[in-house]
Amino acid sequence: DTGVSQDPRHKITKRGQNVTFRCDPISEHNRLYWYRQTLGQGPEFLTYFQNEAQLEKSRLLSDRFSAERPKGSFSTLEIQRTEQGDSAMYLCASSPRTRSPSADTQYFGPGTRLTVL
Amino acid sequence: GNSVTQMEGPVTLSEEAFLTINCTYTATGYPSLFWYVQYPGEGLQLLLKATKADDKGSNKGFEATYRKETTSFHLEKGSVQVSDSAVYFCALLQGGSEKLVFGKGTKLTVNP
Repeated sequence: DTGVSQDPRHKITKRGQNVTFRCDPISEHNRLYWYRQTLGQGPEFLTYFQNEAQLEKSRLLSDRFSAERPKGSFSTLEIQRTEQGDSAMYLCASSPRTRSPSADTQYFGPGTRLTVL
Repeated sequence: GNSVTQMEGPVTLSEEAFLTINCTYTATGYPSLFWYVQYPGEGLQLLLKATKADDKGSNKGFEATYRKETTSFHLEKGSVQVSDSAVYFCALLQGGSEKLVFGKGTKLTVNP
């Protein structure tokens, strides 16, 4: 099993630019999650997909944020018109199907660290 | 709403010392409880979990028992090693929800 992968690992951008991150879940995991982690805090939930359907979004996910999972495999998270407050680690996680033995476990990727100047 | 409270860090111990990191939670019903660990420069890794009251999760010498009566899930290890230096996160997953709720994390440093 290869783990969850994320690309890029680091991104530095200027305020006002758009950025896009990619997440590849563990193969055969049909559920995918995005979280945001700021310095000294635990991860905070952003959104959740089951296959290609986005089933839950946090109020943290402002209109400038959009996430997709078009074919139910990889996912992208786009931030438009970035602000300095968007600087954080963006984490992706995946879980196997609901009736799997480890269905309640989320497996995390290494994260993408975003710095907005 | 659901929440997790962890003891404030950082925690600094000498090798072979006993470790306890306190975690309490607020939730309705019977959430699943988790400890994740984040080593320097790496992503979150599941350390252990418990899904119902009185369950004990264990892994790599770490243990935590799901205590419904005290709404706690304290992490313990009898003898820590330098390689255990990391940030530890307690988290809960409410039944019927897909959203993990994390504590703020506790940074552990183990000195030789």
